[in-house]
Amino acid sequence: DVVMTQSPLSLPVTLGQPASISCRSSQSLVYSDGNTYLNWFQQRPGQSPRRLIYKVSNRDSGVPDRFSGSGSGTDFTLKISRVEAEDVGVYYCMQATHWPPWTFGQGTKVEIK
Amino acid sequence: QVQLVESGGGVVQPGTSLRLSCAASGFTFSSYGMHWVRQTPGKGLEWLSAISHDGSNKYFTDSVKGRFTISRDNSKNTVYLQMNSLRAEDTAMYYCTNLGITQAPDIWGRGTMVTVSS
Repeated sequence: DVVMTQSPLSLPVTLGQPASISCRSSQSLVYSDGNTYLNWFQQRPGQSPRRLIYKVSNRDSGVPDRFSGSGSGTDFTLKISRVEAEDVGVYYCMQATHWPPWTFGQGTKVEIK
Repeated sequence: QVQLVESGGGVVQPGTSLRLSCAASGFTFSSYGMHWVRQTPGKGLEWLSAISHDGSNKYFTDSVKGRFTISRDNSKNTVYLQMNSLRAEDTAMYYCTNLGITQAPDIWGRGTMVTVSS
């Protein structure tokens, strides 16, 4: 199984400042079709997960452009350019290249300092 | 309106069974593979099971193999998770999702809570 490792697990951030979350996979996430199936999800308190990013860097409709995804192979990053209060929650990376199983990272809790 | 609505959760005793349902609306359900993902209170997300769009392929995580089964009825736009021999560690919020990996919408239900306790 592919193990997804996120860091940090807790991220206190000042409003208006940038934030960055790392996600590493135990093997390359490049699929045989050339795509890399790495998603990022946001889970606000009391809500269901919501996808922010698919295939490493593609933002979902309605996701603010302060969110960006990057990376390749085994190393990926989610960046928030300027954190807002509504960004509080837990962020998960998930791989869908080597399945089953589909695997999630442990989650990174973003909170306001 | 695109949505998934889970139902069937509740409080059950260890060793018993429960069937979860997930009703889809607002999209072409029969075109999508569907997944169940759970979240233990205060913990992260765990993928449990998936079924292909036509029900011909099914997948399970090791911890539920042999205990859980997944099925779907495309005429009713519903996917099911039959959970047998429930254990305390199965206590979690259970989400239904299409777990989209492309530009197709990624859809999640609100979840249904399962508590296994004596």
